[in-house]
Amino acid sequence: QVQLVQSGSDLREPGASVKLSCKASGYTFTKYPMNWVRQAPGQGLEWMGWINTDTGNPSYGQAFTGRFVFSLDTSVNTAYLEISSLKTEDIAVYYCATGPLWGQGTLVTVSS
Amino acid sequence: DIVLTQTPLSLSVTPGQPASISCKSSESLLHTNGKTYLYWYLQKPGQSPQLLIYDVSSRFSGVPDRFSGSGSETDFTLKISRVEAEDVGVYYCMQGIHLPPWTFGQGTKVEIK
Repeated sequence: QVQLVQSGSDLREPGASVKLSCKASGYTFTKYPMNWVRQAPGQGLEWMGWINTDTGNPSYGQAFTGRFVFSLDTSVNTAYLEISSLKTEDIAVYYCATGPLWGQGTLVTVSS
Repeated sequence: DIVLTQTPLSLSVTPGQPASISCKSSESLLHTNGKTYLYWYLQKPGQSPQLLIYDVSSRFSGVPDRFSGSGSETDFTLKISRVEAEDVGVYYCMQGIHLPPWTFGQGTKVEIK
């Protein structure tokens, strides 16, 4: 079955880090780039960037440089998004997506 | 970056009636290869976005034929010929020609009267 399965919801304190995962199955993982999209509560969709799943080269949207890192483990067909120095404004659902295929999203909550 | 402007931002429709959403781009989405990379997604409540239309007017697999897309270069429209209860959610247009980034419209919330 062609799908992207993301890790579960996460609650972190301000200043902490979080690493989200997105496991692909049912297709050749390295054939299509993986995008990350953020959706803050009650808001629209915001593209964060993508990673070339063949070369591992990431590209970040302007608002997502510095604290956001995309990475891969091609041995397990998984893409990762790590966010450091978490702020309350990072509270959102984070989606991985490749073409028409989207993961179910991971809710990140930042609270002390 | 390209800006996509959707209108209206909300729509209340009687079941069985048609609905139409406009998406205007600040730049042409026509590629030199002749394709136009404009997509329509529906995000149902509590779900991930799901692709409805790609390349302006092609319905994605499994999408009912009551959904249709049209337009060219900078002006695009999504039409639902007869709205059903399951069509509620937020509709987004998205461009995939000028990368990076993907760009989304603000979204149009469709509800049933």
